[in-house]
Amino acid sequence: SQQGEEDPQALSIQEGENATMNCSYKTSINNLQWYRQNSGRGLVHLILIRSNEREKHSGRLRVTLDTSKKSSSLLITASRAADTASYFCATDANTDKLIFGTGTRLQVFP
Amino acid sequence: EPEVTQTPSHQVTQMGQEVILRCVPISNHLYFYWYRQILGQKVEFLVSFYNNEISEKSEIFDDQFSVERPDGSNFTLKIRSTKLEDSAMYFCASTELAFYNEQFFGPGTRLTVL
Repeated sequence: SQQGEEDPQALSIQEGENATMNCSYKTSINNLQWYRQNSGRGLVHLILIRSNEREKHSGRLRVTLDTSKKSSSLLITASRAADTASYFCATDANTDKLIFGTGTRLQVFP
Repeated sequence: EPEVTQTPSHQVTQMGQEVILRCVPISNHLYFYWYRQILGQKVEFLVSFYNNEISEKSEIFDDQFSVERPDGSNFTLKIRSTKLEDSAMYFCASTELAFYNEQFFGPGTRLTVL
């Protein structure tokens, strides 16, 4: 299996619900970053969590990191239709190149 | 807020032609990257660049690819002789410091090779 795999691959929820996406990786990392991509568009940086951090918040986003399990989760609270996008985790494993996961496609219905 | 810009947004070319994709990183950033995303697939690292040199490159970044920082602001990716399989979205990214900082991505250039 590859570095950076998200699950679920796709998630559909109603507005107002919370969305949780998970990311697993294989090797030790310096940081883990979450990005958002609207269909066919660029990557928007959401949040970076360092390997010595366990949890980080930014607005409606909450990211956790468990280095013992080599996993991270992204929680979007009180989702909105505008949150509809693909979400990717990206890790850097002892270099500064990012290795991206396969992404979770989130659909939020009004 | 400063952002990475890329031109053109869409480039269509014939197989075998040379293309140059252009990027203007954020002005105080020192590390520059190119990534690509084939339609429906994950984003893949191509090359990193610092202090006018390639720091690291992937297996994808073969002799057909080159990067350059021709002046103080632009960062270019050249594909010498395009192949059909080069069709992808190409993203430029930059960061102030490597390893511990966010990489900021441009909006991408969609390259279509016919």
